Amino acid sequence: QIQLVQSGAEVKKPGASVRVSCKASGYTFNTYGFSWVRQAPGQGLEWMGWISAYNGNTIYAQKFQGRVTLTTDTSTTTGDMQLRRLRSDDTAIYYCARDSGARPAVNAIDFWGQGTLVTVSS
Amino acid sequence: SSELTQDPAVSVALGQTVRITCQGDSLRYYYAGWYQQRPGQAPVLVIYAKNNRPSGIPDRFSGSSSGNTASLTITGAQAEDEADYYCNSRDRSGNYVIFGGGTKLTVL
Repeated sequence: QIQLVQSGAEVKKPGASVRVSCKASGYTFNTYGFSWVRQAPGQGLEWMGWISAYNGNTIYAQKFQGRVTLTTDTSTTTGDMQLRRLRSDDTAIYYCARDSGARPAVNAIDFWGQGTLVTVSS
Repeated sequence: SSELTQDPAVSVALGQTVRITCQGDSLRYYYAGWYQQRPGQAPVLVIYAKNNRPSGIPDRFSGSSSGNTASLTITGAQAEDEADYYCNSRDRSGNYVIFGGGTKLTVL
């Protein structure tokens, strides 16, 4: 069965960086991609960006341009999200989700990881 | 436009039919997806490409679209359908993903 298993919760200080990992299994990794979505406490879903596991192409939401980097590793079938220069309003649950390998949300963002809570606090 | 608008809250009596809507200019050009999120859980895809259900999603969930509005209909709502529902699509450029603000469904 298709699974996306994310790394554990993180606590970071303002100005630091965080890396969240997403281990995929149960499907042909390099024919899909990932979208990363976050959810602040009590708030809605916010799309951060997309990466193709096929060719490494990325598209970042304008809000996160310059602060986020998405990568994939086909040898370990893992996707990573790094967010830099953290602020308190980056406190959120971060989700990886399987997406098209061609362009974001061409078909459906279908399977989601369990989420990783990132807390930014001094 | 890069926005999708949803009603913040909707309620339905047990066993009745409810429609949750999502409005946005980009829906004239791209299909909406719909996600169910129960408290403390990750979102689950319930409808994609206008009216396709992933495996395991009950057939009481259906989708439709007209003009700039996409709709999720639950026919015969069950207690377990009480959740937040989010629509998503691509923005007008087709390069970015956008989500609606979510609708909290209460089953009375």
